[in-house]
Amino acid sequence: AQSVAQPEDQVNVAEGNPLTVKCTYSVSGNPYLFWYVQYPNRGLQFLLKYITGDNLVKGSYGFEAEFNKSQTSFHLKKPSALVSDSALYFCAVRDMRGRDDKIIFGKGTRLHILP
Amino acid sequence: DSGVTQTPKHLITATGQRVTLRCSPRSGDLSVYWYQQSLDQGLQFLIQYYNGEERAKGNILERFSAQQFPDLHSELNLSSLELGDSALYFCASSDTRGEQYFGPGTRLTVT
Repeated sequence: AQSVAQPEDQVNVAEGNPLTVKCTYSVSGNPYLFWYVQYPNRGLQFLLKYITGDNLVKGSYGFEAEFNKSQTSFHLKKPSALVSDSALYFCAVRDMRGRDDKIIFGKGTRLHILP
Repeated sequence: DSGVTQTPKHLITATGQRVTLRCSPRSGDLSVYWYQQSLDQGLQFLIQYYNGEERAKGNILERFSAQQFPDLHSELNLSSLELGDSALYFCASSDTRGEQYFGPGTRLTVT
């Protein structure tokens, strides 16, 4: 079955420092991976996706993610964190088996950027 | 603004009652998904509809049902409500590229 794992419930980073939010995946076939962000009292917002091509994917708000096939990872990164980046981040994989076409989300990682 | 709308924003009801949550997808999107988000269970996929037909089912209870209408809006019906059904319920729609666009959610409180 397609799945993603986010090993950290929470990540704390000082403002201005680089940040990484980890995600590993388990898929059959080619992975179709996403990152979403959820701000307090809001729905999830799409950040970026990987289908094929460059292993470094650039997304919204200065975020990027690195696809690593050998490590089955898709970590979210940003070179310099902002306090406004504090939110809940979800890694996800598209599951297209048979007639199904759904996205499976990880449990989420809460990112705290400390001023 | 994702273009997905959900009503109502908040809903407070008693145990045993039935409620209906409504979702309007982005213009042109044929797929609608429903999710439940609670503190202890995280984000759980409930059900997907595509152009009026049920396409995929997740962790949806038998007390819950959904449908998608010809104008593509969708409703999630929750019946015989229990305290544990209190959660945020999100609707999302997607195009053929698979990216999902989420509505603002309906916060359901069962007392």
